[in-house]
Amino acid sequence: QKEVEQNSGPLSVPEGAIASLNCTYSDRVSQSFFWYRQYSGKSPELIMSIYSNGDKEDGRFTAQLNKASQYVSLLIRDSQPSDSATYLCAVIGGSNYKLTFGKGTLLTVNP
Amino acid sequence: EAGVAQSPRYKIIEKRQSVAFWCNPISGHATLYWYQQILGQGPKLLIQFQNNGVVDDSQLPKDRFSAERLKGVDSTLKIQPAKLEDSAVYLCASSPSGGVTETQYFGPGTRLLVL
Repeated sequence: QKEVEQNSGPLSVPEGAIASLNCTYSDRVSQSFFWYRQYSGKSPELIMSIYSNGDKEDGRFTAQLNKASQYVSLLIRDSQPSDSATYLCAVIGGSNYKLTFGKGTLLTVNP
Repeated sequence: EAGVAQSPRYKIIEKRQSVAFWCNPISGHATLYWYQQILGQGPKLLIQFQNNGVVDDSQLPKDRFSAERLKGVDSTLKIQPAKLEDSAVYLCASSPSGGVTETQYFGPGTRLLVL
């Protein structure tokens, strides 16, 4: 079982729609959860972090964490073409404290 | 505040040659990370330094890869000899102290192509 799993996509949504990105993780005692955005040819940049169960909102972005289901998601409201990128889910495990990334989901927002 | 600096940005070498990458973290950041990102994959941690000591190098192929951070500031990652499968982007990141809730800030990366 892979440590951090994401649907590779591509996920295509129309401009103005809600984009939903999902991630599951295997380490039941994982502590910290991050969403990074990576534009083609660029390095990852942090857009959201979440540490406790529930929702965390920042502008158009909402991260959701369910530790019982080992599931974390990212919702992007009012999607814009500039949101087109690969979204990487990353988790810090409870045993080795190492940041482990998923393969990423490619999101395309169509004008 | 200046970000993480890396050089070179691009490198093309032939297999069995050696190559070195340099990273300068954000000023004051004690923790420095080297990641390897193969096309279509997420970054994979190769080595983590806390000041000038190694915290985790469990995924570093030590028969060919080496890294150092002698003065606890900038760092060098070396590959010798390179293999075709080493073609990837090598990302350096830093964080203030390596805490589990801290953001890791990534540099622009070095794109390596091994022919």
